[in-house]
Amino acid sequence: EPEVTQTPSHQVTQMGQEVILRCVPISNHLYFYWYRQILGQKVEFLVSFYNNEISEKSEIFDDQFSVERPDGSNFTLKIRSTKLEDSAMYFCASRAQGARSPLHFGNGTRLTVT
Amino acid sequence: GQQLNQSPQSMFIQEGEDVSMNCTSSSIFNTWLWYKQEPGEGPVLLIALYKAGELTSNGRLTAQFGITRKDSFLNISASIPSDVGIYFCAGRIPPNDYKLSFGAGTTVTVRA
Repeated sequence: EPEVTQTPSHQVTQMGQEVILRCVPISNHLYFYWYRQILGQKVEFLVSFYNNEISEKSEIFDDQFSVERPDGSNFTLKIRSTKLEDSAMYFCASRAQGARSPLHFGNGTRLTVT
Repeated sequence: GQQLNQSPQSMFIQEGEDVSMNCTSSSIFNTWLWYKQEPGEGPVLLIALYKAGELTSNGRLTAQFGITRKDSFLNISASIPSDVGIYFCAGRIPPNDYKLSFGAGTTVTVRA
């Protein structure tokens, strides 16, 4: 079964550094998302992306965050200057066309900011 | 985001037992979703509910979309060891495109 793949599985970075989290959504999917889960807390929506632009973002997704679909297969989340509180599990998700098409999540990238 | 209250926070189950968990919200949702997350993996969709009153099964799992559209429950019948994991409810409000609000999760552990 096709799946959303995320790399790396674990990223350690120093505060203030830039990080790029990478995702390869399922190939025929058109809608892409990033969610995050701080350890022990709820999964939280960050951003949705469709037709090469952001369709919605949460209050968490401030100017330090950006997303890009640099080619036909990758979907990236960039954090410009990481803070300690950015440490979390970041999940990429995608879905096909259709309001009832299910959201498929990747296995996540654990980001640790030291 | 919207506040979802999920309970219980955790439960220990005996193999063969039926399990029930629920979510309530102060807001009306048009979609309720139940996900399961295992260690090192992302959430996996178990059941999706789209209409108030809808009752849907997926194998030993049954979920219902509450009539008020502010609550949902998930039942697992005859639990087995591989049912361990964290179960999340999630709700969706139109027109937000899958800007899901998640519950805090119910951690299910099998009692030896």
